[in-house]
Amino acid sequence: DSGVTQTPKHLITATGQRVTLRCSPRSGDLSVYWYQQSLDQGLQFLIQYYNGEERAKGNILERFSAQQFPDLHSELNLSSLELGDSALYFCASSVSGSALRETQYFGPGTRLLVL
Amino acid sequence: GQSLEQPSEVTAVEGAIVQINCTYQTSGFYGLSWYQQHDGGAPTFLSYNALDGLEETGRFSSFLSRSDSYGYLLLQELQMKDSASYFCAVRAGDNYGQNFVFGPGTRLSVLP
Repeated sequence: DSGVTQTPKHLITATGQRVTLRCSPRSGDLSVYWYQQSLDQGLQFLIQYYNGEERAKGNILERFSAQQFPDLHSELNLSSLELGDSALYFCASSVSGSALRETQYFGPGTRLLVL
Repeated sequence: GQSLEQPSEVTAVEGAIVQINCTYQTSGFYGLSWYQQHDGGAPTFLSYNALDGLEETGRFSSFLSRSDSYGYLLLQELQMKDSASYFCAVRAGDNYGQNFVFGPGTRLSVLP
């Protein structure tokens, strides 16, 4: 158990819909990262937040958005869902997000299926 | 752009030593990480190299050569539980802060 929690574990929805994935980082970690893992694209970095502010942005679609709240939990919002958005979405956390030897602790993931 | 290459599959027997290579092309390179992921599980951090040389952590070691844009993960005394996918990842800089790029993964099968 990494100490990172994600809800829900599974999500089934239809194309065109909007969903919200939630992540709570390990106690004391200030940085949260979101990743998408699919069979054809592998593990893709989406976005990083540090202490409530966006720190780095990867291959995140405009239909996707995220935020980190004052209590440091984070939400990833996916809208206008397409079949290709079906994937495993991981959240990870780390202490600061800027140290050279930063370890990221991954949550168990949310499996999204878009029908 | 940034890209990483790894072998797609490696097979070895229990007790053996296996090396998983990773070559990368990035801008603003900060370091190379390795993660393990069992089927159905989440990635787990194994090691991080920011400087050239070998880092040893128990049965696992990781090596980096920045001049060659190359690294490897060395697994010794292989056990059945080491059967998993292994990803190299770079922490690299771009025009908008730092980014994290993962390789396609190497599936390691350990045979009895």
